[in-house]
Amino acid sequence: QVQLQESGPGLVKPSQALSLTCNVSGDSISHGGYYWTWIRQRPGKGLEWMGHVYNTGSTSYNPSLKSRISISVDTSENHFSLRLTSMTAADAAVYYCGRAAIPPFLDYWGQGILVTVSS
Amino acid sequence: EIVMTQSPATLSLSPGERATLSCRASQSVGNFLAWYQQKPGQSPKLLVYGASTRPTDVPARFSGSGSGTEFTLTISSLQSEDFAVYYCQQYHDWPPLTFGGGTTVEI
Repeated sequence: QVQLQESGPGLVKPSQALSLTCNVSGDSISHGGYYWTWIRQRPGKGLEWMGHVYNTGSTSYNPSLKSRISISVDTSENHFSLRLTSMTAADAAVYYCGRAAIPPFLDYWGQGILVTVSS
Repeated sequence: EIVMTQSPATLSLSPGERATLSCRASQSVGNFLAWYQQKPGQSPKLLVYGASTRPTDVPARFSGSGSGTEFTLTISSLQSEDFAVYYCQQYHDWPPLTFGGGTTVEI
């Protein structure tokens, strides 16, 4: 059974960067065949696709975030990471990592991590 | 960017009733459409992909239909555990992948 688990700080100061990691078990990122994805959900709102990374390190990002977002992969550790710079209150959300098939619909999701932006 | 519009925003039904949820795309997405269910405090769960294909762990009372710009998720007979928020997502034209705003199925 594939499992994903987000980790990182639950509180970020305005203007700082958010760094989250998604640890994957039950599948090997290095095997390929999937996009490793970050999605967020602002309080009481819908789902926003942020971007994804393939095992080669190739990435695709939401244009609305393109200047602030970076997603990387570490196949040796079987995890992938999100970095979002210049955080503001508008970035407060539950951040989910997930596995997306090709073409990309998400078949497995992490439990999510709540990130608050406050000084 | 393809805009996904779901209707209605809220559907109030009783257990045993049939639920019909709609999703419309701003341009054709072929059959590259997925549906997810999200219960309070939980992450979304995949219900349908390819517009009409159910993963093996999804009950048969859930069915998806449609193609192009108009899609429907039908729950044939609502069970208590089906009261949740449902999202559609297109994966025909990206980036970005886009989701609908959701339909809440409530008692």
